Amino acid sequence: SQTIHQWPATLVQPVGSPLSLECTVEGTSNPNLYWYRQAAGRGLQLLFYSVGIGQISSEVPQNLSASRPQDRQFILSSKKLLLSDSGFYLCAWSAMTDYQPQHFGDGTRLSIL
Amino acid sequence: GIQVEQSPPDLILQEGANSTLRCNFSDSVNNLQWFHQNPWGQLINLFYIPSGTKQNGRLSATTVATERYSLLYISSSQTTDSGVYFCAVGASGTYKYIFGTGTRLKVLA
Repeated sequence: SQTIHQWPATLVQPVGSPLSLECTVEGTSNPNLYWYRQAAGRGLQLLFYSVGIGQISSEVPQNLSASRPQDRQFILSSKKLLLSDSGFYLCAWSAMTDYQPQHFGDGTRLSIL
Repeated sequence: GIQVEQSPPDLILQEGANSTLRCNFSDSVNNLQWFHQNPWGQLINLFYIPSGTKQNGRLSATTVATERYSLLYISSSQTTDSGVYFCAVGASGTYKYIFGTGTRLKVLA
């Protein structure tokens, strides 16, 4: 069966520090991969999605970037964190074939001080 | 882009009551999912339902794609049903999902 792993579960970082969040999927090949952010009490905002290695689509201009160095690995990064980057970050995957459901990881709670 | 609205935004129920949550979307979609976000933030898949009706225990869902809405029914609600319910739609011709605004449900014992 397929599983998705995100780490760390929580993270506290100072303003101006770099960020790297990792997401990996097991048990499937060529998944579509997604990064979302959820502000406190709000809905989910799609940040990036990827349909293949090295292919990244950005949905919202911001201080973040994403990379997909391997088929089942998706990384969210920042060179310098802002206070507004605080939030709950969720990774998801769906099968590569058309119109498949998404499956989510447990998320990372990021606090910027 | 496609707009997804959910209603009601907030709902308080007594244990045992039934409820209907609605998701309206502004354009044709390829996918539609209902999720329950529990108090720990985990998103639990409830239904993948681009059209038709599905049931799973006390929960059921109906999507009428031609009229651009989906309904989630919760019967005999329990305190463990509390949390936020989201619908998410996949816009036609893309692999993107757009999430609705959510319905925050609180079930009182």
